[in-house]
This record gives sequence, C-alpha cells and structure tokens, in this order.
Amino acid sequence: DAGVIQSPRHEVTEMGQEVTLRCKPISGHDYLFWYRQTMMRGLELLIYFNNNVPIDDSGMPEDRFSAKMPNASFSTLKIQPSEPRDSAVYFCASSFGGPLHFGNGTRLTVT
Amino acid sequence: DAKTTQPTSMDCAEGRAANLPCNHSTISGNEYVYWYRQIHSQGPQYIIHGLKNNETNEMASLIITEDRKSSTLILPHATLRDTAVYYCIALGSSNTGKLIFGQGTTLQVKP
Repeated sequence: DAGVIQSPRHEVTEMGQEVTLRCKPISGHDYLFWYRQTMMRGLELLIYFNNNVPIDDSGMPEDRFSAKMPNASFSTLKIQPSEPRDSAVYFCASSFGGPLHFGNGTRLTVT
Repeated sequence: DAKTTQPTSMDCAEGRAANLPCNHSTISGNEYVYWYRQIHSQGPQYIIHGLKNNETNEMASLIITEDRKSSTLILPHATLRDTAVYYCIALGSSNTGKLIFGQGTTLQVKP
C-alpha cells in the first residue's frame, strides 16, 4: 500500500500564475478530501468527493480555486490566478468511509 | 459535530505514559471520538477512535468517561518520535469522515 500520493512536494510560483496540485488516493477508497494548513487558520477542509462527485465545496475560498476528480485514482486542485495569501501546505486524504489517510502534502509558496 | 477542547501543550518524559485529555461535553449519542496526530512536516495520522467503550490498538489506548463528556488518549511508553500535535475530533456516524480540526495539543516528549 503506497498510501496517498501528492505531487509536487514543493511548489514555488509567482503571483498571477496558475498552480495545479495533484493527488492519487489509496486504491479502493471512495472518498477524497482536500485540506489546507496555515499557521493562522490551522487545518481547513476545502472540498471533498464521493465516488468522484464533489459533495461539499463550501470550504473553497473563492472562485480562483477549483478541484476535479476525473476518475477514482486522480484528483487535482487548481488555483488560478495564485496570490501570496494562498501560500500554505495543501493535503489530500482518502478513505472508504472510515478513518482518513493523508498524504504528506504540497507546500505552496506564492511570491 | 460537537466542539472539543484540548490543552494547548503538554510535556512528557520519554518512556513514561502520556495522557492527553479532551473535553466534549456536548457530544451526542451517535458521535464518535477520533484522535489524529501530526508530526512536523507530515500529514495527519489516524490513531484511534471510539464511541462508548474503551479502545486499544498498537498505537494507543482511548478511555472515554461513562457520561461521554470527556476522553483521554494514552500513549503507554512515549518516545521522542511521539512528539507531535494531537487532535481530538467528535464525528457523527452519519458523517462521511469530514473531519473538522481544532488547534490540538502539542505534545513534547523530552529525554
């Protein structure tokens, strides 16, 4: 079991650029979650999917953020255009309705 | 889901038991108590969960009071690698695993 795989581990980009974060959930898991962590706000749930369908996106900060899950083994979180306040660690997690399994995150820095 | 309250920080001597308390006085009958931890620079890691009865696994023990208004996570023989932020979360059985994280307890295990 390779666990939840996120890429890239680190991303540095300039303000205004598009950023795409990727996640491969654990095989067989039907729930996928995107979280964001900052010092100020802690861990925040952005969006989650069930069977590739977005169920709750109420945590998505604004229209600049979008998430997709085209199939059961892949999801993306896109920020366009990026802003310095988007700098954070973004975590993906998956489950089959039980405890969540988290990836090791993508550290995003927007300059 | 019920709000939980945890101390901001705790210390523990290496080799001793670490007892991490959590208050959840408004927990409802169908809400489980979940514990996760986050070691620096890693994604949160599931530890244990329970409803009414005490639970034990290879990582820890969970003691839930009879009135279910509080619980204690016990790491029986803390090591330096147990230094982490520990999160206590109340989660309804009908919930899909959508975890809402608080600030947690920072446990420092000292030699």
